[in-house]
This record gives sequence, C-alpha cells and structure tokens, in this order.
Amino acid sequence: GEDVEQSLFLSVREGDSSVINCTYTDSSSTYLYWYKQEPGAGLQLLTYIFSNMDMKQDQRLTVLLNKKDKHLSLRIADTQTGDSAIYFCAESTDSNYQLIWGAGTKLIIKP
Amino acid sequence: KAGVTQTPRYLIKTRGQQVTLSCSPISGHRSVSWYQQTPGQGLQFLFEYFSETQRNKGNFPGRFSGRQFSNSRSEMNVSTLELGDSALYLCASGRDSGFYEQYFGPGTRLTVT
Repeated sequence: GEDVEQSLFLSVREGDSSVINCTYTDSSSTYLYWYKQEPGAGLQLLTYIFSNMDMKQDQRLTVLLNKKDKHLSLRIADTQTGDSAIYFCAESTDSNYQLIWGAGTKLIIKP
Repeated sequence: KAGVTQTPRYLIKTRGQQVTLSCSPISGHRSVSWYQQTPGQGLQFLFEYFSETQRNKGNFPGRFSGRQFSNSRSEMNVSTLELGDSALYLCASGRDSGFYEQYFGPGTRLTVT
C-alpha cells in the first residue's frame, strides 16, 4: 500500500537552512504537501506541489520533487526559532481521496 | 473570516462510553475531513464528507462514524470507547475537492480512562 517516510528529527542552527526529506511509494500521487504543526496547535498547510512540477518556491520555502526517486524535500532558508515545529509530508491521489501522511519530522533549532 | 472550529477542545470519557465531536467548517466550505492523531500511529484519515455524503473512508472500525449537515457542519461519533481511542481528533474543511485548499481546526483532545 501507500507509504510516506520521513526522518523523525532534524537539528539545525538558527540562521542556517533546514532541509527536511520525505520519500513516498505511490507512483500515482497527484499532489504532495508539507504541513507544519506547532505544539498545541492544529496543522497548517505550508505548501504543496503538483506531481508534474520539479520545484516550487514560496518566500523562505523551497520544495523539490524528484518523481523518479519518489523523493520530496522542503528547504527552509534562514531558519528561525519560530520554525520549531513538526513538519509532515503527505500525498494524495486522484483515485483515492484521502491524505497519506508521514510520521513527521521534528525540527529543532539550536541558538 | 473565521477558521475551522472544533468543540469541545478537551474531553475525558470512560471506556465503554460513546462520544460525539463537532466541527464547523470555514464558511463556504463543503468538504469536511476527519483525522486521528496518536503518538504511536501518527495521523490517520477517518473519513471525508462532501455535501452531506461520505465520499471516502479510512480503515477504522464501524465504531467510528460521522455525518454532515446541510450547513456543512460535521459530527463524528465513537461508540464503545476503548483506551486506544485516546487521541487528538482533527477536522479539516475545504471548498471543494483538492487538499491544497484544506484548513485544519485546532483539534479535540480525547482521553479515555
């Protein structure tokens, strides 16, 4: 079945770039998403990319998609303490109307 | 514009009881999805309603059910609660199809004792 995998933790220094990686197995994925969850809060959609795109940039966020390797990454430039959160990768397909989620990567910012 | 609201925010129930959670979507949104989030299983899709019809369902037992009203508000019900049902239940609303337009509520924290 479909599966989305992420590493559980990432630690970066404030001001550096953070790169959070995700791999997925469903080759029919239509959209891939990045969500952010801060402590005690719900999920916030950060950005998404359609499967026929390679890259999408939105201010400090850059999403790269390697469809051949089924690899998705989220780069956060100039990481700030406010970026501390859990970042979830998710996928959806046209045929199966639901989101398949990764386990989430906890981003830890070091001063 | 008001966001997605979920009530109650916190709930404590006893094993064997039943519970109903409510979700009010963003005005104009007709799609409501429900998710369960636990430390062990992560985020799992429960079901999705669109214009009062269940459009998709995840792999949960029949004790989990939902419905959507004509004003798009949705409720989910869990009967015969088990300890493993303790979780954060998240609701998300969307204008139509497409998860890129999906917005999440703050969740209901359910604790089963």
